Amino acid sequence: GAGVSQSPSNKVTEKGKDVELRCDPISGHTALYWYRQRLGQGLEFLIYFQGNSAPDKSGLPSDRFSAERTGESVSTLTIQRTQQEDSAVYLCASSLVGWDEQFFGPGTRLTVL
Amino acid sequence: SQQGEEDPQALSIQEGENATMNCSYKTSINNLQWYRQNSGRGLVHLILIRSNEREKHSGRLRVTLDTSKKSSSLLITASRAADTASYFCATDGGGGNKLTFGTGTQLKVEL
Repeated sequence: GAGVSQSPSNKVTEKGKDVELRCDPISGHTALYWYRQRLGQGLEFLIYFQGNSAPDKSGLPSDRFSAERTGESVSTLTIQRTQQEDSAVYLCASSLVGWDEQFFGPGTRLTVL
Repeated sequence: SQQGEEDPQALSIQEGENATMNCSYKTSINNLQWYRQNSGRGLVHLILIRSNEREKHSGRLRVTLDTSKKSSSLLITASRAADTASYFCATDGGGGNKLTFGTGTQLKVEL
């Protein structure tokens, strides 16, 4: 079956613009995660959705970042008024349950000029 | 702070040699997982070891877990150039919480 997909694969934007990143998880996976990875660094947790529970937003770095998920389907990560330090690869993952093996998408490489 | 910390940060070996990477964590866990990342994009799950297990094998991979020391090791035997990647451990925090990833070990296998 299809894995986790993300779009776009690459996004170049100007400082101050808003961007929207999309993640399509594996069908039936109740948990969905967003991570950020700066060049040469580890994964930085951003937000976690588990079923219909309130999301864990503890990793969002500022109020410019927000994410939504409709039920157990698509999720959108929105970054408002982008800054150069937002440049990174944004990875989405899903899992059957919240502490199980995670399946990652290919990521979106965001470059803020 | 990161729950898992890998050691060493970087490792360079010759093809055919074994590679050992270590992971330390701080809180109790239900399970610990190892992932591989090629080319800075999506991660691939390698192996999951539960807190009541001490050792697990998968092909050329061997993972050990010592909950008393809050540490795990990943051994890749008979390494190949294709094993060149970054390797991350991830822990679940013991309460069914989200996984927390370490900072990774960059492995380079030279011909």
